[in-house]
Amino acid sequence: AQTVTQSQPEMSVQEAETVTLSCTYDTSENNYYLFWYKQPPSRQMILVIRQEAYKQQNATENRFSVNFQKAAKSFSLKISDSQLGDTAMYFCAFSPNSGYALNFGKGTSLLVTP
Amino acid sequence: EAGVVQSPRYKIIEKKQPVAFWCNPISGHNTLYWYRQNLGQGPELLIRYENEEAVDDSQLPKDRFSAERLKGVDSTLKIQPAELGDSAVYLCASSLVRGAQAPDTEAFFGQGTRLTVV
Repeated sequence: AQTVTQSQPEMSVQEAETVTLSCTYDTSENNYYLFWYKQPPSRQMILVIRQEAYKQQNATENRFSVNFQKAAKSFSLKISDSQLGDTAMYFCAFSPNSGYALNFGKGTSLLVTP
Repeated sequence: EAGVVQSPRYKIIEKKQPVAFWCNPISGHNTLYWYRQNLGQGPELLIRYENEEAVDDSQLPKDRFSAERLKGVDSTLKIQPAELGDSAVYLCASSLVRGAQAPDTEAFFGQGTRLTVV
């Protein structure tokens, strides 16, 4: 079974600063998919960024980027130029195959302060 | 394009009562998921459908939970009878899965139903 661990229950960052959220996972698969989802108080999970394990290049989406270390089974999310609207729960998730269910970590609550 | 629609948004019931949740996925999406999210936790899969077939229901407590996906579109999740420990947010998601290794599959989530059992 695959497990996802987020070791930071809560994080805080000032507006315009950069913050990194940590995620580690455990799997025996060679190819898989990793995701970061954002869940605001509205409860709707929103995909932030996705990484395919066979791709060595780290994924980027505007202010969001990942540091994917396959050998270390680490998948951290960096948010640059943090905005107040980034305040939310962030979940790291793993999927062994396209379309399969997501295994989520317990989440990191991120607070962006003025 | 309409997203995944779930109803109701909130439900409060007494223990031992039945309850049902409804999900309308994004049009054309062949795969539908039901997740349960306990307070302070990440979502956990209850059941996954490919079209109308339940292909992964290993985490569904079958003694009290049931689900169906009629004609491979809408889905309902039912609990009968509800227990205090069933209080949680129930999330529905859908995706268009083109193939086992298609890299662009994205799961879209609804806003969930918050169930409180008293």
